[in-house]
Amino acid sequence: GIQVEQSPPDLILQEGANSTLRCNFSDSVNNLQWFHQNPWGQLINLFYIPSGTKQNGRLSATTVATERYSLLYISSSQTTDSGVYFCAVDTNAGGTSYGKLTFGQGTILTVHP
Amino acid sequence: SAVISQKPSRDICQRGTSLTIQCQVDSQVTMMFWYRQQPGQSLTLIATANQGSEATYESGFVIDKFPISRPNLTFSTLTVSNMSPEDSSIYLCSADRPGTDTQYFGPGTRLTVL
Repeated sequence: GIQVEQSPPDLILQEGANSTLRCNFSDSVNNLQWFHQNPWGQLINLFYIPSGTKQNGRLSATTVATERYSLLYISSSQTTDSGVYFCAVDTNAGGTSYGKLTFGQGTILTVHP
Repeated sequence: SAVISQKPSRDICQRGTSLTIQCQVDSQVTMMFWYRQQPGQSLTLIATANQGSEATYESGFVIDKFPISRPNLTFSTLTVSNMSPEDSSIYLCSADRPGTDTQYFGPGTRLTVL
């Protein structure tokens, strides 16, 4: 099956710093999503981005499908950004659902005040 | 915004017993998904549950261990059978967020098996 690798595994920042998280995947995908898991375990979808670039406030994401990687940018980080960031992909071409996902191992982000 | 709820939120169970986890979605969805997150690990898909048909299990997961029901378009249950300490995990359900191309997840059920 498809392999999903995220880097770095851990990241510690001071509040206000910027960061870039990377997700490499081993095969073509038709679905790539970024999630944030907060310290209480709740998973929140950040982006659906199988290709191209999207921005949402301080967060933005870019996926270069031809080179099989995606980047998540966090600018002006805040303590509430702490948690685990997961990249998840699906190779199910022609599927009508977006939920059959293979997750990477995640990046643990800690933002200190 | 769409909401998924799960019951129980957490439980501590004895080895050899079974636990049924409920997942309720506040809108009708075609597919629901069950994931497992072992301590300190990522999420792994257990199975896909379609209403009116048998669940489809991923490699390494079997129906006898993780029976799933999907009686209607807003509800599903996952049973963890004959539990062992290795089943201690967070179990999460998810569904397609209606009208979008993204997934939303329930808050999870934190299971500890002694």
